[in-house]
Amino acid sequence: DQQVKQNSPSLSVQEGRISILNCDYTNSMFDYFLWYKKYPAEGPTFLISISSIKDKNEDGRFTVFLNKSAKHLSLHIVPSQPGDSAVYFCAAKIGGATNKLIFGTGTLLAVQP
Amino acid sequence: ETGVTQTPRHLVMGMTNKKSLKCEQHLGHNAMYWYKQSAKKPLELMFVYNFKEQTENNSVPSRFSPECPNSSHLFLHLHTLQPEDSALYLCASSQRLGGGDQPQHFGDGTRLSIL
Repeated sequence: DQQVKQNSPSLSVQEGRISILNCDYTNSMFDYFLWYKKYPAEGPTFLISISSIKDKNEDGRFTVFLNKSAKHLSLHIVPSQPGDSAVYFCAAKIGGATNKLIFGTGTLLAVQP
Repeated sequence: ETGVTQTPRHLVMGMTNKKSLKCEQHLGHNAMYWYKQSAKKPLELMFVYNFKEQTENNSVPSRFSPECPNSSHLFLHLHTLQPEDSALYLCASSQRLGGGDQPQHFGDGTRLSIL
């Protein structure tokens, strides 16, 4: 049973427009949510995170929104750039003295020039 | 970022071989992790080490044997693997456990193929 789901395997966006990547979760005990970006033949790179007590976190072109009642989070990239083309993983951390992350299956973002 | 280095990048081995994967982090972190990523599946946590002590074994078969001699190095010893163990094995590190504001930093992984 997947606790973190990314239902869109892929997304295509025009350069300069907004990219919205979505993630749903089922476990109310998650206390942090993270987004990672992965280029081919490289490991995942941390992008941005949000605590479960917040509803928005922004870092430059990247904003993560958290809707706890819907158990849904989204990553907004604006404006999108061709270099943003990668696989984006949503991950959730279980609360407590652990750093165990539960990952989604990823969404492949293609930003068209 | 080359803060976490994994070797080898690719490994092909038979089911009766014994091999080891190596991970080294240069970030001064205290926690290290092994993950497995199979095709079409999410990353799965295998082991967690904190200050060289194993704190988590996520029901991993004994044919995978981790070793953490110090906070900077992590090994995954492999023996008598099965074809379904073919996957990308990723190492990660973080400053400490328990902090969601302390993200894990990943290496580029070892692509393992079992013949």
